[in-house]
Amino acid sequence: SQTIHQWPATLVQPVGSPLSLECTVEGTSNPNLYWYRQAAGRGLQLLFYSVGIGQISSEVPQNLSASRPQDRQFILSSKKLLLSDSGFYLCAWRLGNTIYFGEGSWLTVV
Amino acid sequence: GENVEQHPSTLSVQEGDSAVIKCTYSDSASNYFPWYKQELGKRPQLIIDIRSNVGEKKDQRIAVTLNKTAKHFSLHITETQPEDSAVYFCAPPPGAGKSTFGDGTTLTVKP
Repeated sequence: SQTIHQWPATLVQPVGSPLSLECTVEGTSNPNLYWYRQAAGRGLQLLFYSVGIGQISSEVPQNLSASRPQDRQFILSSKKLLLSDSGFYLCAWRLGNTIYFGEGSWLTVV
Repeated sequence: GENVEQHPSTLSVQEGDSAVIKCTYSDSASNYFPWYKQELGKRPQLIIDIRSNVGEKKDQRIAVTLNKTAKHFSLHITETQPEDSAVYFCAPPPGAGKSTFGDGTTLTVKP
């Protein structure tokens, strides 16, 4: 069966520091992969999606970037975090029409 | 890509009452309509979905109805319980790689 792993689960980072969130999917090949962000009490904002290795589509211009160095690995990065980057970050993959989410990463920028 | 409008943004009901959340879509070619539930601090999970060849689908206390003419689909929860309190999201059919969600409805079931 397919599983999705995302880490770290929580992190507190100072303003201006870098960020790296990682996500891996097991049990499938060439999945569509996604990064979403959810601010407190808000909806799911699609940040990036990828249909294959090295193929990244950005939905919202900001100081975040994404990379897909391997088929089942998706990384969200930032060189310098802003206070507004705080939120709940969710990696996800798609099987048919259904989206499956990782357990999420809580980021607090202080 | 497809966009949806989800209403209401918040909904408060008494335990045992029914709750209805509605999503309106624009692409008449859409053929798949899912609903996700996100409990506090957890990830969203699919709870029910419907395809365009049926008008209604039920799973115990939850149901989804589809009105293709009016281009909207609704989530119905009957006999609500406190554990139904969560944020509910509708999602349009994914486009070429892209998958977006409605803005979410925060449902509160008061005991």
